[in-house]
Amino acid sequence: QVQLQESGPGLVKPSQTLSLTCTVSGGSISSGGYYWTWIRQPAGKGLEWIGRIYISGNTKYNRSLESRVTTSVDTSKNQFSLNLSSVTAADTAVYYCARAAVELGHGAFDIWGQGTMVTVSS
Amino acid sequence: QSVLTQPPSASGTPGQRVTISCSGSSSNIGSNSVYWYQQLPGSAPKLLIYRNNQRPSGVPDRFSGSKSGASASLAISGLRSEDEADYYCAAWDDSLSGPVFGGGTKLTVL
Repeated sequence: QVQLQESGPGLVKPSQTLSLTCTVSGGSISSGGYYWTWIRQPAGKGLEWIGRIYISGNTKYNRSLESRVTTSVDTSKNQFSLNLSSVTAADTAVYYCARAAVELGHGAFDIWGQGTMVTVSS
Repeated sequence: QSVLTQPPSASGTPGQRVTISCSGSSSNIGSNSVYWYQQLPGSAPKLLIYRNNQRPSGVPDRFSGSKSGASASLAISGLRSEDEADYYCAAWDDSLSGPVFGGGTKLTVL
C-alpha cells in the first residue's frame, strides 16, 4: 500500500526557508488522479492546508501563504517537496504530507505521512 | 479562528451515540462536500467520511455523516473507548479556492 514519509530539518532559523520532502513508497507519484499535498498543525491547534501539486506541475496554495510557498515534484525520486520562505515562530508546527484523491473529491486526504515537527527559533 | 465551526468538546459513555456538528457557509459546506477526519493522540489524521456520507474501506459503519444546507454532522454509534480522539470536518471553500478545516472537537469517552 502507498505510504508517505516526511523528511527535513527539525529546526529552522527565523527569516530562513523551511524545506521538507515527502517520499512516496508503494506506488508511483506519476500515476494520475492524486494531488500531492502539504498540511500543517501547530501544537494543540487545528489543521491548516498549505497547498498541493499535481503531477502535471499544476499548483494551488493557501492564499494566506502563497507569497512564501513553493512546491515541486521529482518523479525520478518519487518525491514531492515544500519550500516555505521567510519563516517566523508562527510557522512552528507539525507538517504533514498527504495524498488527495481526486475521485473522492476536493478535501479527501486519504493517505497521510506521520508528520514532522518543525520549530522556528534562533 | 477556523472557517468551519465545531464544538471544542463532546463526550459520551460506551455504547452511546454521539454527534459532532460542523457549521459553515454558502461558500464551503453550502456548496461543496464535507469530509471528516479522526486524529488519535500522537497520530496523523485519518479520513473517516468523504463526500458527506461515504466511508472509505475499513471504516466501521458505526461512523456516519450527514449534511443539510451549510451544516454537517458526524455521528458515532456504539461508542467505544478507542473512539476517544480529535475529530475535524473539512470542505472546499469557493471563496478561498482551497480546502478549509474546522477547529476540531475533542471526543472523550467517559
